Amino acid sequence: ETGVTQSPTHLIKTRGQQVTLRCSSQSGHNTVSWYQQALGQGPQFIFQYYREEENGRGNFPPRFSGLQFPNYSSELNVNALELDDSALYLCASSSWGGGALETQYFGPGTRLLVL
Amino acid sequence: SQQGEEDPQALSIQEGENATMNCSYKTSINNLQWYRQNSGRGLVHLILIRSNEREKHSGRLRVTLDTSKKSSSLLITASRAADTASYFCATDGLDSSYKLIFGSGTRLLVRP
Repeated sequence: ETGVTQSPTHLIKTRGQQVTLRCSSQSGHNTVSWYQQALGQGPQFIFQYYREEENGRGNFPPRFSGLQFPNYSSELNVNALELDDSALYLCASSSWGGGALETQYFGPGTRLLVL
Repeated sequence: SQQGEEDPQALSIQEGENATMNCSYKTSINNLQWYRQNSGRGLVHLILIRSNEREKHSGRLRVTLDTSKKSSSLLITASRAADTASYFCATDGLDSSYKLIFGSGTRLLVRP
């Protein structure tokens, strides 16, 4: 167990809807990263939040947005859902000070199905 | 886009045998990490090797890193059925240290 929790575990939405996924980071960690993992693929970096600010972003459109709260928990919001958004969404927490990225601890993921 | 590629894509071995997985990456890195994933669930961190290290051990795991070839290998000795999972390497690049870039993974099946 990593101490990183995600909710919900599974979610079914229809195309065009909006979804919010939640993540509680491990105690003592100040950074949360979100990844999208399509079936049979490795995880793809969406973005990272460090001390409540977006610290870096992958190749995802603006309809993917996020928040980090003062307790370092985080939300991933996806607007105007598309069928290709169906995937496992993973959040990972770590303690980062601006240099090399240390171990990231992953939650169990939220599996999103868009119909 | 994926930073690296794992080889082989799939591996089937008998319990007790050793399993070797390879990973190649494209850009200079700070660290390389290996993760395990069971049946599409969360990733479990196995081992981190820094760019100035060449070999690292953790229990039945042995990781090597060759930065000149931009490659790494993960050796699991005396495999068990419980080792059945997908294994991913992930790197954080010198110019993008805030994110991990994952390979496509090796699916390992350990037959009892």
